[in-house]
Amino acid sequence: DTGVSQDPRHKITKRGQNVTFRCDPISEHNRLYWYRQTLGQGPEFLTYFQNEAQLEKSRLLSDRFSAERPKGSFSTLEIQRTEQGDSAMYLCASSPLFLLAGGSSTDTQYFGPGTRLTVL
Amino acid sequence: AQRVTQPEKLLSVFKGAPVELKCNYSYSGSPELFWYVQYSRQRLQLLLRHISRESIKGFTADLNKGETSFHLKKPFAQEEDSAMYYCALVGYNFNKFYFGSGTKLNVKP
Repeated sequence: DTGVSQDPRHKITKRGQNVTFRCDPISEHNRLYWYRQTLGQGPEFLTYFQNEAQLEKSRLLSDRFSAERPKGSFSTLEIQRTEQGDSAMYLCASSPLFLLAGGSSTDTQYFGPGTRLTVL
Repeated sequence: AQRVTQPEKLLSVFKGAPVELKCNYSYSGSPELFWYVQYSRQRLQLLLRHISRESIKGFTADLNKGETSFHLKKPFAQEEDSAMYYCALVGYNFNKFYFGSGTKLNVKP
């Protein structure tokens, strides 16, 4: 399967514990995004990488959240000292970047299946 | 502030009826707009984007900059169209996507 994969698919943890999620993007995609989705809401942007560089980070992301993409391939998202409010689906997406005629660029995001986090 | 609004949480139509899923946006600049769809027990996937001006599965969407809207339309709904639909926008640098809260489309037989 050459799609985006995420591990684990489900995680149940106790408040105060640290958790780490992994995302493996489509191999030739240089852009990688993390989102959080709660019930009844659309995906909410958390952070974005182009290759190994983290270029954008949402102000919603507290200091307890950190993401890495050390070699420009897979990425990890860590949440320290989890809180019940962190319970959500965490989505990863990857995309290529290409140029259209006229110099503009656009990309399509390919989403992973998500990791559902439950904090007790 | 950048924002995508989908005013309907649920839209129910009968098979064969026209369907329109509304999307309004707020963005200071020229965004690119997308529609993503999530079928039951499947992952989120791109349905169409305004820059392509294409019709996918009979769906079309026209960007109206004057009304800041990007409504999704299909003249004859099918049962297999039942899914969650999300409107999204991205700014010129493609660093940050904004998604609406989604509309659940239910096509009844």
